[in-house]
Amino acid sequence: NAGVTQTPKFQVLKTGQSMTLQCAQDMNHNSMYWYRQDPGMGLRLIYYSASEGTTDKGEVPNGYNVSRLNKREFSLRLESAAPSQTSVYFCASRMTGGDQPQHFGDGTRLSIL
Amino acid sequence: GNSVTQMEGPVTLSEEAFLTINCTYTATGYPSLFWYVQYPGEGLQLLLKATKADDKGSNKGFEATYRKETTSFHLEKGSVQVSDSAVYFCALNSGGSNYKLTFGKGTLLTVNP
Repeated sequence: NAGVTQTPKFQVLKTGQSMTLQCAQDMNHNSMYWYRQDPGMGLRLIYYSASEGTTDKGEVPNGYNVSRLNKREFSLRLESAAPSQTSVYFCASRMTGGDQPQHFGDGTRLSIL
Repeated sequence: GNSVTQMEGPVTLSEEAFLTINCTYTATGYPSLFWYVQYPGEGLQLLLKATKADDKGSNKGFEATYRKETTSFHLEKGSVQVSDSAVYFCALNSGGSNYKLTFGKGTLLTVNP
């Protein structure tokens, strides 16, 4: 019962490098989300996808792009990494309807040097 | 806009002590309220939720009551255990069918034996 799987778990990049964070869920959920977690800031929404084929900006989208490849997969891309993007990134998914909870992956710890 | 304010941590307690973590919110309409827990090195897990005023969410000995008159959703547990050591996040549903969560900054709880 994998749930939400994120890869890689850890990554170190140099400023200016590009990187794609992968996320896949096996729960047949319609909606998927990308957050970043920084000390003292809680979780902030970067992008979300309400359903396959749609994506929308969240609270902090600058410097990121996303792709909803299919119903299972939602990737986050950093085109030109900056030190300010050093963070822990979480992917989440949920079933549409009512107040179904979001289910989170274990995170990707990304350091930009 | 919507916002969530949690008591700042860290909170350090002895085993079997009573726990309260305060959470207040600002929102339009009638949000649903949630507590998530994050254990070290893991993603967030839903702990409990309440969807309307005066509802009480409960799970694993934790409780929180949705108080519309005070716009609060305080987390309580009568007797904490070492295994409860984690970061606790209060959150609200801030967006219709897209179900965007607004998180507080988190409260680190450490329980000593």
